[in-house]
Amino acid sequence: GEDVEQSLFLSVREGDSSVINCTYTDSSSTYLYWYKQEPGAGLQLLTYIFSNMDMKQDQRLTVLLNKKDKHLSLRIADTQTGDSAIYFCAEALYGGSQGNLIFGKGTKLSVKP
Amino acid sequence: ETGVTQSPTHLIKTRGQQVTLRCSSQSGHNTVSWYQQALGQGPQFIFQYYREEENGRGNFPPRFSGLQFPNYSSELNVNALELDDSALYLCASGTGDSEQYFGPGTRLTVT
Repeated sequence: GEDVEQSLFLSVREGDSSVINCTYTDSSSTYLYWYKQEPGAGLQLLTYIFSNMDMKQDQRLTVLLNKKDKHLSLRIADTQTGDSAIYFCAEALYGGSQGNLIFGKGTKLSVKP
Repeated sequence: ETGVTQSPTHLIKTRGQQVTLRCSSQSGHNTVSWYQQALGQGPQFIFQYYREEENGRGNFPPRFSGLQFPNYSSELNVNALELDDSALYLCASGTGDSEQYFGPGTRLTVT
């Protein structure tokens, strides 16, 4: 079945780069997403990448996709304390409705001043 | 701000009761999906509605049901509540392409 795995915690210093990693199992994924969730809040769409792309950059965010290894990463440049949150990786499956996103358990990013 | 709103914010119910949660999507969004997020977990897909019909369902029993209305609002109904139904319930709306936007969620506690 489908599965999305993420490491649970990441701690960085303010100003450093953060790299959050994710692996997925289903090779028929169409889109892969990164969402951010702050305490007590819903999910904020940060960025997404189509499965035939290798990289996408959006301001401080860089997404890298390695389809062969089914590995997705999110790099946040110049990490700020406001970036502290839980980051979820999610995949949308080919043939399924775009609403059927499979999420990982989330990576809690802590940014130390 | 995603333009997706949910009500109520918090809700406490007793085991065996029924609950209705509401979501208001962005104008023009013809799909709405509902997710359950247990504490410390990622969201789990419950179902999606497209043009007022169910269009995909996750591994949830029939006591989870939904409705979508022409005015971009939708409902999630859960019957015969169980303690394990305690979770954050999220709705997400979109146009059926790549982007989905989530609401702030309803925190349901079943005692």
